[in-house]
Amino acid sequence: EAGVTQFPSHSVIEKGQTVTLRCDPISGHDNLYWYRRVMGKEIKFLLHFVKESKQDESGMPNNRFLAERTGGTYSTLKVQPAELEDSGVYFCASSLYGQGKYEQYFGPGTRLTVT
Amino acid sequence: AQSVTQPDIHITVSEGASLELRCNYSYGATPYLFWYVQSPGQGLQLLLKYFSGDTLVQGIKGFEAEFKRSQSSFNLRKPSVHWSDAAEYFCAAADNYGQNFVFGPGTRLSVLP
Repeated sequence: EAGVTQFPSHSVIEKGQTVTLRCDPISGHDNLYWYRRVMGKEIKFLLHFVKESKQDESGMPNNRFLAERTGGTYSTLKVQPAELEDSGVYFCASSLYGQGKYEQYFGPGTRLTVT
Repeated sequence: AQSVTQPDIHITVSEGASLELRCNYSYGATPYLFWYVQSPGQGLQLLLKYFSGDTLVQGIKGFEAEFKRSQSSFNLRKPSVHWSDAAEYFCAAADNYGQNFVFGPGTRLSVLP
């Protein structure tokens, strides 16, 4: 079974540019989460999809961040325009939907560097 | 506010020595608790989890953790560390629906030969 995959693994962009991160969850996982780790600090929750619907986006830092999940499959996280403080590692995770299905499976992360 | 603390930023142990990584949580109710490990270039891998029941939880790779409600702790242990255990370890807590994950800052483990 393929795990959660993320693309790209590393992205270096200039301030003001746009970057789109992609996450492919484990097949059949309705829950999809985005997290971010900035400057070696805690991993912080960004948002949660259930299928194609945003269940919770309380962690999104501002309106420069836009997440989508087309058809309830893969998800993209777009940062436009990127700022220096957006640098960090962006993790995606997925899990099954339903009672007792609490384990989140994480991808390897995308390291974003904004210069 | 909900929080998870890991007091040790970096720990160095010799191969074969025992290991204990500390984790404390502050949560409204007893949360679900997790330990994840991240090796270089890899994603976060679940080592073990506690939902309820036996407070000593066994995980993969020879790790175990003990939940102590009175101390709000969920410390991770391994009796004999291997060089391949060098990685960063994260403690996390979630509510009873498996949502609202809160991570600790992580503890980086170095293993001396």
